[in-house]
Amino acid sequence: EAQVTQNPRYLITVTGKKLTVTCSQNMNHEYMSWYRQDPGLGLRQIYYSMNVEVTDKGDVPEGYKVSRKEKRNFPLILESPSPNQTSLYFCASSSGQGPYNEQFFGPGTRLTVL
Amino acid sequence: SQQGEEDPQALSIQEGENATMNCSYKTSINNLQWYRQNSGRGLVHLILIRSNEREKHSGRLRVTLDTSKKSSSLLITASRAADTASYFCATYAAGNKLTFGGGTRVLVKP
Repeated sequence: EAQVTQNPRYLITVTGKKLTVTCSQNMNHEYMSWYRQDPGLGLRQIYYSMNVEVTDKGDVPEGYKVSRKEKRNFPLILESPSPNQTSLYFCASSSGQGPYNEQFFGPGTRLTVL
Repeated sequence: SQQGEEDPQALSIQEGENATMNCSYKTSINNLQWYRQNSGRGLVHLILIRSNEREKHSGRLRVTLDTSKKSSSLLITASRAADTASYFCATYAAGNKLTFGGGTRVLVKP
């Protein structure tokens, strides 16, 4: 089954404790991206990747890192999480090296930073 | 402010009625995409309409695009309780980013 998976689905952590949210897709998609969703603000793009070893900042990249060492994986790293990073996070992927096709979204990761 | 902004923010209708929501954007686009999100879940793609297209259909969904007015509309005909969700438009303009609007929350009452 074609899908985007994210882990963990729920995470409660404390300020400053490094964490990684994994994202994996099995559709051989070139384009992958991370979004955060906050009430009243819609979805905002954090980082995106057009292909392996090619990443770039989205609209709200501060406090986040990403890597794209393999085509299928696109982990989101919070080196020193802060309470303002409490949010619902989504990973997405699509064919092509840009978001010009249908995006496939993961189920989301709900992060709480205390 | 955001590239795509939906209107209304919330919509409540009876089952069987039609639901219409609009999306306005600011800059020229390559395509516009509509997504549905059931409460707290991942977004599901509904329809993609390219800048040279004016109308697309998919089942009970109809999307129009007016590039002169920089706006799009999503019509859901004969709504069902299962259509209760939030609906988002997303625009692909220059660069490699997809920009989402704030969404329209639709409640379909049985």
